Amino acid sequence: QVQLVQSGAEMKKPGASVKISCEASGYPFTSYYVHWVRQAPGQGLEWMGVINPSGGVTIYGQKFQGRVTMTRDTSTSTVYMEVNSLMSEDTAVYFCAREGSIFGVAIAYDYWGQGTRVTVSS
Amino acid sequence: EIVLTQFPATLSLSPGERATLSCRASERVSSNYLAWYQQKPGQAPRLVMYGASTWANGIPDRFSGSGSGTDFILTIERLEPEDFAVYYCQQYGSSPWTFGQGTKLEIK
Repeated sequence: QVQLVQSGAEMKKPGASVKISCEASGYPFTSYYVHWVRQAPGQGLEWMGVINPSGGVTIYGQKFQGRVTMTRDTSTSTVYMEVNSLMSEDTAVYFCAREGSIFGVAIAYDYWGQGTRVTVSS
Repeated sequence: EIVLTQFPATLSLSPGERATLSCRASERVSSNYLAWYQQKPGQAPRLVMYGASTWANGIPDRFSGSGSGTDFILTIERLEPEDFAVYYCQQYGSSPWTFGQGTKLEIK
């Protein structure tokens, strides 16, 4: 069955970096884009960006340009997201999500990781 | 970017009643690429509807989606206790993909 399994919770100080992993299984890794979405405490969902695991091409949300890097390792079917220069406002749960498709038509996020809580505090 | 506005912010209903959740886009959603997600506390969102009106896997037919262009509705008939959650709409037709701020469906 399709699964996205994320790395564990992180606690970081302001100015530090964090790298979160999302290991995919149960489907052809390079056939589906993977997005990252975050959710601050008590808040809604915020799209951060997307990576094409096939070629590694990325698109980042304007708010995250220059501070977020998404990469992938096809040998382990894992997508990574690194966030630099962390601020307290980056405290959130970070989700990876697969962009599903049926007969080539996008169907939004059909599978999600369990989420990784990142706490930024001095 | 397309801004999605959901209303009401909170909807208080009893089991067995019908829920109507609205999502309005600031501009036309390309190809009606509008999705709805259900999120319960401490869980990842779950896809409920995509393409404005197509059920995701495992979603009961008590849920239905409608609308096109800029105005979309998620209707839940005969509310069950497990339906009470926060619902988000999302447009995925134009980059950046954007979410509404959510509607909390709570038990009255």
